[in-house]
Amino acid sequence: GENVEQHPSTLSVQEGDSAVIKCTYSDSASNYFPWYKQELGKRPQLIIDIRSNVGEKKDQRIAVTLNKTAKHFSLHITETQPEDSAVYFCAAAAPGVAGNMLTFGGGTRLMVKP
Amino acid sequence: DARVTQTPRHKVTEMGQEVTMRCQPILGHNTVFWYRQTMMQGLELLAYFRNRAPLDDSGMPKDRFSAEMPDATLATLKIQPSEPRDSAVYFCASGSQVTEAFFGQGTRLTVV
Repeated sequence: GENVEQHPSTLSVQEGDSAVIKCTYSDSASNYFPWYKQELGKRPQLIIDIRSNVGEKKDQRIAVTLNKTAKHFSLHITETQPEDSAVYFCAAAAPGVAGNMLTFGGGTRLMVKP
Repeated sequence: DARVTQTPRHKVTEMGQEVTMRCQPILGHNTVFWYRQTMMQGLELLAYFRNRAPLDDSGMPKDRFSAEMPDATLATLKIQPSEPRDSAVYFCASGSQVTEAFFGQGTRLTVV
């Protein structure tokens, strides 16, 4: 099955700096890569996603890049703010008999210091 | 505003008791996931349903856990008997082939 590795597990940045979180996946058939943000005590919520037919996608201060050859994708947050502090999860989904089942990375705890 | 609804939100039970968690997926979604999260760690997949059929439950301890979808509006996760190590937040999520997975608010289970 799919295996998703996420790094780093914790990341501390100064407000205004950029943050980068990286994920690798094992199943070359995976074609959908969402990123979720989970604030303390709340549910994970989708912040951005990318499909395998594009290499990059942006939404204001966040962007995701995908390298299918290397089987890795990254989340980039620019001009970080204290409200960006949360746990971020990457995920990968592959089509197949079991459908588009999401496999999550282990999560990255991002702390933005004011 | 369509949401995935989970009940109960919190559950405290004694070791050995049966626990049933319920999930109402978003209307029209045909996939349902059950995930377990401990102490803000990773999301561990327990079970996955598509069109009410269980497609993957390899992450679920079979001896005590069971997951079902009696109809398209209800998914259940049952633990019998419960153990202290089962204490965690259990998330249900629903989606489809054209949408991302939407998470419910979770059931925080404490087994004492």
